[in-house]
Amino acid sequence: QVRLQESGPGLVKPSGTLSLTCGVSGASISSNQWWTWVRQSPGKGLEWIGDVYHSGNADYNSSLKSRVTISVDKSKNHFSLRLTSVTAADTAVYYCATSADLMKYLHHWGPGTLVSVSS
Amino acid sequence: EIVLTQSPATLSLSPGDRATLSCRASQYVGTYLAWYQQKPGQAPRLVIYEASKRAIGVPARFSGSGSGTDFTLTISSLEPEDFAVYYCQQRVNWLSFGGGTKVEIK
Repeated sequence: QVRLQESGPGLVKPSGTLSLTCGVSGASISSNQWWTWVRQSPGKGLEWIGDVYHSGNADYNSSLKSRVTISVDKSKNHFSLRLTSVTAADTAVYYCATSADLMKYLHHWGPGTLVSVSS
Repeated sequence: EIVLTQSPATLSLSPGDRATLSCRASQYVGTYLAWYQQKPGQAPRLVIYEASKRAIGVPARFSGSGSGTDFTLTISSLEPEDFAVYYCQQRVNWLSFGGGTKVEIK
């Protein structure tokens, strides 16, 4: 059973950098599947942030591409999200998720973590 | 960017009713479409992928259909646990989600 768990600060100051990690159990980060970040602003819908393959190859939402980096750490079996120059509009629940294979359907999700951007 | 438009925004139904949710894509996506269910305070759950395949553990009352630009999620007879928000997602051009349809108790 694949399990994902987000971790990181729940509060980030405006203009700062949001950094989250997704711990993976029940699967290897080196498996043939995509590792994905999705966010959901309060009361709103789902927004794809981007995803990464174990090779380090990553795809990003064009609206966030200039500020986001997603990376993998094979030694720790986790992947990470870094979002720079945050504003209040980046306040959201951040989910990590993964496909079961190379098809980008998100079979497994973490419980999500709320990150607030405020001074 | 492929935009997914879901309708209706809200569906008010009673347990036992049939629910029909629609998702329309702004460009051709073949059958590369999924549906997710989300309950308050929970992460989304994959229900249907590849337009019509049920994910593991999803009851047979859920079915998906469509191809190209028009897709439908049908719940044949609503159970109390089915009242939730449903999102469609395409994977042809990066990933994007629809705005959601809330299925609420009438």
